[in-house]
Amino acid sequence: GAVVSQHPSWVICKSGTSVKIECRSLDFQATTMFWYRQFPKQSLMLMATSNEGSKATYEQGVEKDKFLINHASLTLSTLTVTSAHPEDSSFYICSARASGISYEQYFGPGTRLTVT
Amino acid sequence: DAKTTQPNSMESNEEEPVHLPCNHSTISGTDYIHWYRQLPSQGPEYVIHGLTSNVNNRMASLAIAEDRKSSTLILHRATLRDAAVYYCILSLSLDSNYQLIWGAGTKLIIKP
Repeated sequence: GAVVSQHPSWVICKSGTSVKIECRSLDFQATTMFWYRQFPKQSLMLMATSNEGSKATYEQGVEKDKFLINHASLTLSTLTVTSAHPEDSSFYICSARASGISYEQYFGPGTRLTVT
Repeated sequence: DAKTTQPNSMESNEEEPVHLPCNHSTISGTDYIHWYRQLPSQGPEYVIHGLTSNVNNRMASLAIAEDRKSSTLILHRATLRDAAVYYCILSLSLDSNYQLIWGAGTKLIIKP
């Protein structure tokens, strides 16, 4: 099946610094990628949708200048959390949608971000 | 967006069938029904999806009520590895930008 990877799997950073999370589709081309955030014991919250080569569409309440998303190629999307604060600590998950007729979203394993 | 309602948790014995219910009384005619599951500290995994007819795949079966206001995910023979949170989700369409709006899900506990 299609595989999506995320790097790093976990990261600890200091308050005020920026962190970049990579999401890669390993064996298929992803025309659309989604970024989610999940707090402990809660469901996934969609942050943004990105299509390759165009600007991401952010959900209401998600600051686009704080959560920078780049989808520069059909296999890579990045999420940069700028000027991170402890409240940004969360589990960040990406998913990818293949071009063509596949209806599945393939999810990455997630990145655990802890801001101290 | 149409919402789904699922029980918070369910328990089942290993090697027995499991029926996970989902209510979606406000579903529209073009909404697809998706099921995903998530193991602790992992990304979600696709299970199955359908529109009107019942669906079967290697992981599970999806039974959709005739009025489409409810559906049931059926795991025919649960194993310990099936313990996860199961999400029932509606999507407006299956075009390339379709979004999944996640509810609280059902935590499935499998007893050995």
